[in-house]
Amino acid sequence: DQQVKQNSPSLSVQEGRISILNCDYTNSMFDYFLWYKKYPAEGPTFLISISSIKDKNEDGRFTVFLNKSAKHLSLHIVPSQPGDSAVYFCAATGRGGGSNYKLTFGKGTLLTVNP
Amino acid sequence: NAGVTQTPKFQVLKTGQSMTLQCAQDMNHNSMYWYRQDPGMGLRLIYYSASEGTTDKGEVPNGYNVSRLNKREFSLRLESAAPSQTSVYFCASSEGLGGRTDTQYFGPGTRLTVL
Repeated sequence: DQQVKQNSPSLSVQEGRISILNCDYTNSMFDYFLWYKKYPAEGPTFLISISSIKDKNEDGRFTVFLNKSAKHLSLHIVPSQPGDSAVYFCAATGRGGGSNYKLTFGKGTLLTVNP
Repeated sequence: NAGVTQTPKFQVLKTGQSMTLQCAQDMNHNSMYWYRQDPGMGLRLIYYSASEGTTDKGEVPNGYNVSRLNKREFSLRLESAAPSQTSVYFCASSEGLGGRTDTQYFGPGTRLTVL
C-alpha cells in the first residue's frame, strides 16, 4: 500500500522553462510534506517543505503547492537549470503513535533539464 | 564538518555472511536513522534512534539489528545476509528528537550486493 505516490518516473524539460513535479498521498494523517533531491551516488538532500496549514511555500526558484482536499502537492522549479537534473523524492509525515514522526517517501521522479 | 559519513561505500557479500555498516555524524544531532532504497522504490525506514541509548523499529526491520554506540555513531548489522537485502543503505541524522519539522541529513550511502 503506497501512501505517497509519484506517478511520473521521469520528466524532461528545457533549460529556462518551468518544471512541475507531482505527488499524491492517501494517508489523511499526513500533515507535513517535504521534497528531497538526490544526485547519483549521493544521499538525498532536503529541498523544501510545507505544513498542512499552508497551501504554498516558496524558496527562491522552488515553490511547493499543497491541495489538501485533493491530497496532492506539486513542486515548481522556475527557471529550470541543468544543475537541477536529479531524482526528486516527495516525503510525508504526520501525527501517529509515538513521539517520532517517520518519513514516508515516494518512489521519486527523475528530472532532466536539457540545455 | 563532514556531516554524515558511511563506511564502506560498496560491499559484496555471500548469502549467510554477516557485516556491519557504520555511520557517524559530526553535527551533534540527537536522532539517527537507517533507510534502504531498492530500484524504483522510495526510501524505507529500517530502524531509528531518537536519542543515545534508544532504538526503534521502522517499516522494514526484519533481518537487521542496530546499535547506537554513542551520540555520534549508529551501526546497522546484517547477521545472515540474504539476496533480498541487496540494496543501497542510507544513514541519516536530525537535530531534534524526530519531530515533524526535524530535517534529516543523509549520508552518501552504502551499496550492498548479496550473492
